[in-house]
Amino acid sequence: QSALTQTASVSGYPEQSITISCTGTSSDVGTYNYVSWYQQPPGKVPKLLIYDVTIRPSGVSNRFSGSKSGNTASLTISGLQPEDEGDYYCCSYTNSATRVFGTGTAVTVL
Amino acid sequence: QVQLVESGGGVVQPGTSLRLSCAASGFTFSSFAMHWVRQAPGKGLEWVAVISSDGNNKYYADSVKGRFFISRDNSKNTLYLRMNNLTLDDTAVYSCAKDVRSLTGMDHWGQGTLVTVSS
Repeated sequence: QSALTQTASVSGYPEQSITISCTGTSSDVGTYNYVSWYQQPPGKVPKLLIYDVTIRPSGVSNRFSGSKSGNTASLTISGLQPEDEGDYYCCSYTNSATRVFGTGTAVTVL
Repeated sequence: QVQLVESGGGVVQPGTSLRLSCAASGFTFSSFAMHWVRQAPGKGLEWVAVISSDGNNKYYADSVKGRFFISRDNSKNTLYLRMNNLTLDDTAVYSCAKDVRSLTGMDHWGQGTLVTVSS
């Protein structure tokens, strides 16, 4: 199972919006609405931001939103804040009942 | 509050075995599937294995299939990962994570335990 493909890095100015993409295949992202997104600040534990493509857990800012089209899922961060810096990972359920993470995207706030 | 605490990591030689544990508290352990996820130094997240809430269904990443075995003891609220025939590529921080619900995301993560495979 190959890792889902994410852009290596994305940057933006405060208050801007950025979008991180996550491309898989018909064996994972394209078939199942079980894509989740995680934020990992440097040296910290991953935090769940989105699950089931679009659902935000309680306590997660509404500046984070998810979507999917075909084999590509996306995470949009609106109103970018300095505390949003870190690594972001997508994850999908697969047709083998396994999970696969994305390659990760480093977000920088300029 | 939900707590996941891993233990059992250390420095081992290639070809040897190790068993990791994850002690869970703050939720009904027996109701949730559990995962192991690893992160090699300076690298991204890699999913390792998942076990269903009742322990009857287990799935593995291709990179560990046949060498790693996930299990759980719901009476002890503990998750395990038995790792056999370790290689240098298995060096990573290993974290346990709780499912939100079946098939979907992982909403709580432990701090992880470092496994270093070195000759």
